[in-house]
Amino acid sequence: QIVLSQSPAILSASPGEKVTMTCRASSSVSYMHWYQQKPGSSPKPWIYATSNLASGVPARFSGSGSGTSYSLTISRVEAEDAATYYCQQWSSNPLTFGAGTKLELK
Amino acid sequence: EVQLQQSGAELVKPGASVKLSCTASGFNIKDTYMHWVKQRPEQGLEWIGRIDPANGNTKYDPKFQGKATITADTSSNTAYLQLSSLTSEDTAVYYCARKGDVEAWFAYWGQGTLVTVSA
Repeated sequence: QIVLSQSPAILSASPGEKVTMTCRASSSVSYMHWYQQKPGSSPKPWIYATSNLASGVPARFSGSGSGTSYSLTISRVEAEDAATYYCQQWSSNPLTFGAGTKLELK
Repeated sequence: EVQLQQSGAELVKPGASVKLSCTASGFNIKDTYMHWVKQRPEQGLEWIGRIDPANGNTKYDPKFQGKATITADTSSNTAYLQLSSLTSEDTAVYYCARKGDVEAWFAYWGQGTLVTVSA
């Protein structure tokens, strides 16, 4: 199976800061998807097919990457962005998720 | 509007089985695959498997073979997840999800069902 490794596990940032989190796949994948999850809530679709923002996702978010290396960037972090972000691949079965990056606001 | 409505929380004893439901509205489950995802407390997401309700074909992550059984009832537009021989390791929130209309990703999620395994 394809293992997805996310880093860092915890990311601490101040409002207005630019942050980047990464997701590395054990084998090449066609695309990477990202989900945002806040405590007590279902995961929310966030970025699909590497770089496409889901409906309602602020433009300060962006995604990029190819092959085995992908990233999610927030250009200027806001308080509402505090959450855990999971990457996920749909290139091969079993479908797999990364362990998540928890974004904390200072 | 696509909605996935899951059944309520369950408290079950070790060794027992439980069957969770996910009732869809806004679309016909025969037109897509229905998936189930597990999330243990304070842990990440794990894909359990999926069903093609049109023909009943299923695919599972090997680590859930023998533990999980996914079925569907197209007459009620509902997918099910049955978990057997429950242990504390099965205590988790279970989500149903479906892929997007165009892109293959989890575009829609249910609200989750908490299963607590305890004597």
